[in-house]
Amino acid sequence: NAGVTQTPKFRVLKTGQSMTLLCAQDMNHEYMYWYRQDPGMGLRLIHYSVGEGTTAKGEVPDGYNVSRLKKQNFLLGLESAAPSQTSVYFCASSYLLRDTLPYNEQFFGPGTRLTVL
Amino acid sequence: AQSVTQLDSQVPVFEEAPVELRCNYSSSVSVYLFWYVQYPNQGLQLLLKYLSGSTLVESINGFEAEFNKSQTSFHLRKPSVHISDTAEYFCAVSDSSGNTGKLIFGQGTTLQVKP
Repeated sequence: NAGVTQTPKFRVLKTGQSMTLLCAQDMNHEYMYWYRQDPGMGLRLIHYSVGEGTTAKGEVPDGYNVSRLKKQNFLLGLESAAPSQTSVYFCASSYLLRDTLPYNEQFFGPGTRLTVL
Repeated sequence: AQSVTQLDSQVPVFEEAPVELRCNYSSSVSVYLFWYVQYPNQGLQLLLKYLSGSTLVESINGFEAEFNKSQTSFHLRKPSVHISDTAEYFCAVSDSSGNTGKLIFGQGTTLQVKP
């Protein structure tokens, strides 16, 4: 199993350009998340999904859009990139919470390092 | 609202010395607690978790964390660190506000092990 994979690993954009980050998981997880990591600020949740076809806003959703058309994929889009979006982006996935597994362990991808000039 | 505070942003320590990384949380309900580790240029990996039962939990590489409900703490300790333990460590608490699987992370502590 590959676990959680992210494409691309690195990207440089100019201000105003658009791009899509792809996250894929092969663990049949229900939940998926997009975070950004900035120095001294830990991980901040951008958007998340609790199932195919559903998405919700996290802590810092402005400037980003997401889609979950297939259960295994979670896409993060930047319509008009800004220098403030320079960051490392992590995707994570987690299984459905249930009585026998009430705690949520998240599994992370290797990250995408994005620079916006 | 729940929150997690990691009291130290950086912890420098010499090899083979003991270390403690501090984590405090706030929550009005029972929680699940986690420590994740991020090695340089990698994603986060689960180090250990507290779910219930014994308040002392251990990882396979010698780390341990103790859940203290009265002090709302979940500090991470290792009696003797190695160079390979150099990494960023994140404390996290499960978000009990809904069935979303969300975690609330602290700001992270960078452990720098020096030879």
